[in-house]
Amino acid sequence: SAVISQKPSRDICQRGTSLTIQCQVDSQVTMMFWYRQQPGQSLTLIATANQGSEATYESGFVIDKFPISRPNLTFSTLTVSNMSPEDSSIYLCSVLGWTSGGTTSYEQYFGPGTRLTVT
Amino acid sequence: QKEVEQNSGPLSVPEGAIASLNCTYSDRGSQSFFWYRQYSGKSPELIMFIYSNGDKEDGRFTAQLNKASQYVSLLIRDSQPSDSATYLCAVNPRRNQFYFGTGTSLTVIP
Repeated sequence: SAVISQKPSRDICQRGTSLTIQCQVDSQVTMMFWYRQQPGQSLTLIATANQGSEATYESGFVIDKFPISRPNLTFSTLTVSNMSPEDSSIYLCSVLGWTSGGTTSYEQYFGPGTRLTVT
Repeated sequence: QKEVEQNSGPLSVPEGAIASLNCTYSDRGSQSFFWYRQYSGKSPELIMFIYSNGDKEDGRFTAQLNKASQYVSLLIRDSQPSDSATYLCAVNPRRNQFYFGTGTSLTVIP
């Protein structure tokens, strides 16, 4: 499987500030996704990070609030802007379509997550 | 209609029993199906995937797929307390699309 790391693993932030979460993969991947998971809830897809183009956002999520970068096939960032307590959640990076040994796998794997608390 | 539906549970089984988790999906053209396990406070972990009708076994886990009924299930034999987690069903109807169910909470009682 692809090895995915996220930074930071957790943070406590003040209302009105912004936090950038990094996602690094050890293989080139076709698709990278950003999810949010609030306590006791299922996964909510925020956006798909497209390499070389704008991210594709799901309904209810906008670029001004959650700007995303995808500068290459192994890295992406998600920024949570102008934070409020409602943004407190676990943010998960995931990848799909990673290539190893000439074979591309289409299973989806998740990073360890970033636990964000906004006070 | 949701793309993927699961019974949210909670499902409780005694240790050593078979736990049966079920999932239905709406896109008849879906080709790939996945089961994830998520422990509280952790990220989802892929435990099984299945592409063909029938059963696929991996240790104590068996995934069952019935495309005609649009139904996929996960059986856990000899359930252990360490199997207590939320199990997420996911469907990949097209190459770059992935839909998750809301998950079924499983508790294995010692």
